[in-house]
Amino acid sequence: GQNIDQPTEMTATEGAIVQINCTYQTSGFNGLFWYQQHAGEAPTFLSYNVLDGLEEKGRFSSFLSRSKGYSYLLLKELQMKDSASYLCAVRDQVSGGYNKLIFGAGTRLAVHP
Amino acid sequence: KAGVTQTPRYLIKTRGQQVTLSCSPISGHRSVSWYQQTPGQGLQFLFEYFSETQRNKGNFPGRFSGRQFSNSRSEMNVSTLELGDSALYLCASSRGPPGAKNIQYFGAGTRLSVL
Repeated sequence: GQNIDQPTEMTATEGAIVQINCTYQTSGFNGLFWYQQHAGEAPTFLSYNVLDGLEEKGRFSSFLSRSKGYSYLLLKELQMKDSASYLCAVRDQVSGGYNKLIFGAGTRLAVHP
Repeated sequence: KAGVTQTPRYLIKTRGQQVTLSCSPISGHRSVSWYQQTPGQGLQFLFEYFSETQRNKGNFPGRFSGRQFSNSRSEMNVSTLELGDSALYLCASSRGPPGAKNIQYFGAGTRLSVL
């Protein structure tokens, strides 16, 4: 089956570091994405991992371990504007070579002063 | 460069009616995917179109259908609306063809309320 798990809610303090975990089970894996979604807005692309290891992009980093079916998104130097939902999505390769994104339910992050 | 444009932004319909939602992808993008987002289920994949052909379909009933035009614009149709169809419908475009690092960029969505 296909399943993606991430915590429902997290809270953190401005200036701190937070790690949002994501575990997945899919029939065919072809990449993992992280999106940020502010309330009432469209999801925006944050990061992409297809090989094991860490991808760093400014204050945000994403890690992938394919053997463990595990990823995390690391947010450093948290700012109030980082309060949002963070969506983990796996590209599941289906027969015929076409892909679809399977999303987790999202992690609602609240950053407080 | 304009982003993904979805129209209308808000819709109110009654049970049994049908609705058509529109999506204009980013210029140069040929792949369009549709998702339904609800508080309980999160983002769920509806279907994906590339070069006017449906390439992939999620687990939704046949009341949900779509199409893509030669200019890559896409429409989604829901017939015989049910209360449970109330949701935010998101469209995402990518360069395509599907595969590899094909990042999907989302529109702001159409919020459908079924009364």
